[in-house]
Amino acid sequence: GAVVSQHPSWVICKSGTSVKIECRSLDFQATTMFWYRQFPKQSLMLMATSNEGSKATYEQGVEKDKFLINHASLTLSTLTVTSAHPEDSSFYICSAIWTGDNTEAFFGQGTRLTVV
Amino acid sequence: GQQLNQSPQSMFIQEGEDVSMNCTSSSIFNTWLWYKQEPGEGPVLLIALYKAGELTSNGRLTAQFGITRKDSFLNISASIPSDVGIYFCAGQLKGGNKLTFGTGTQLKVEL
Repeated sequence: GAVVSQHPSWVICKSGTSVKIECRSLDFQATTMFWYRQFPKQSLMLMATSNEGSKATYEQGVEKDKFLINHASLTLSTLTVTSAHPEDSSFYICSAIWTGDNTEAFFGQGTRLTVV
Repeated sequence: GQQLNQSPQSMFIQEGEDVSMNCTSSSIFNTWLWYKQEPGEGPVLLIALYKAGELTSNGRLTAQFGITRKDSFLNISASIPSDVGIYFCAGQLKGGNKLTFGTGTQLKVEL
């Protein structure tokens, strides 16, 4: 199957700093990637749709100025959590859409962000 | 955001037992997907369903796309300890790439 790599796997940062998370499709090109947030023992909640070469589309309630998304190439999308606060601590997961005979979503391994 | 209703929320079964979980929605979906997530990892695709009524197997896993297109179920036969994890269903609308996830079923297997 297609491989999506997310980096870093975990990060600890101080309040007020910014953190960048990368999502790469390693063996396919993805014009669309998605960013999710997951709290402990809860499901994945879609934050935004990342479109290569255009602005990201954010879900209702997600602050676009706080969660900056850049999809500059067909294999890389980045999520930057700006001015992080402890309540931003969460598990962030990306997925990339593979379009073949059928459309499938493949997920990265996730990034555990802890803001102290 | 919208979520699909998934049941049961958790299951604690004995090794060798069969497991069944289902997912229901008020909306029609064109694709149903089942994922497994282990702690600290991203979801891994288990089975994808593309047609109403479709029944698809992947080893000990069998999933069906409901006729109404508003539900799906997943069966795991002869469960083993490595089946533990959280199972999520996900629905996808026609012409879209977004996934709407279920609330998850946590499976625990007792030896």
